[in-house]
Amino acid sequence: NAGVTQTPKFQVLKTGQSMTLQCAQDMNHEYMSWYRQDPGMGLRLIHYSVGAGITDQGEVPNGYNVSRSTTEDFPLRLLSAAPSQTSVYFCASRNPRTGGNEQFFGPGTRLTVL
Amino acid sequence: GENVEQHPSTLSVQEGDSAVIKCTYSDSASNYFPWYKQELGKRPQLIIDIRSNVGEKKDQRIAVTLNKTAKHFSLHITETQPEDSAVYFCAASPSGSYIPTFGRGTSLIVHP
Repeated sequence: NAGVTQTPKFQVLKTGQSMTLQCAQDMNHEYMSWYRQDPGMGLRLIHYSVGAGITDQGEVPNGYNVSRSTTEDFPLRLLSAAPSQTSVYFCASRNPRTGGNEQFFGPGTRLTVL
Repeated sequence: GENVEQHPSTLSVQEGDSAVIKCTYSDSASNYFPWYKQELGKRPQLIIDIRSNVGEKKDQRIAVTLNKTAKHFSLHITETQPEDSAVYFCAASPSGSYIPTFGRGTSLIVHP
């Protein structure tokens, strides 16, 4: 199993541009989530999904959209990038059916908005 | 919602010393408390967790303690080694919650 994968690893955008951060998992996990990590701020939840077709907002959802059309994929869309969205983005998944609470994280995407 | 406070933000120790990181949580319904380790440039990875029906759990040089009454839990690392240098995150997850709430992290530096 590849686990949780994310693309791209690095991205530079100009203010106002849009882009999609890709996240995929091959563990058949129902729950998937997106975090952003900023220095001194820990991991802040952006959006999450408890299954295909179901998404909800986390702590810092403004400026981001998500969709979950399949169990495997959970893309994060930046509609109009702003310098405040410069951050490292992590996707994570877990499988509540097995009783596991461990979050499995992807390798991260480092995004810079100029 | 849940609020998790983590201290200290930075911890510097000499190799062989013990290190303790403390977290407090606000929601008395929280019943699952994981700790994640993130090495520089890497993803966070679970190192140990504890559930609310247990007061202490050990795994070799690391241990976690939980005080439900005071709503705080701690990570203890004994005989620290340079490879323990990393950022450590605590988290708390209320019963029925889909996603845990994370603390802000502690940067542990172990000097050889």
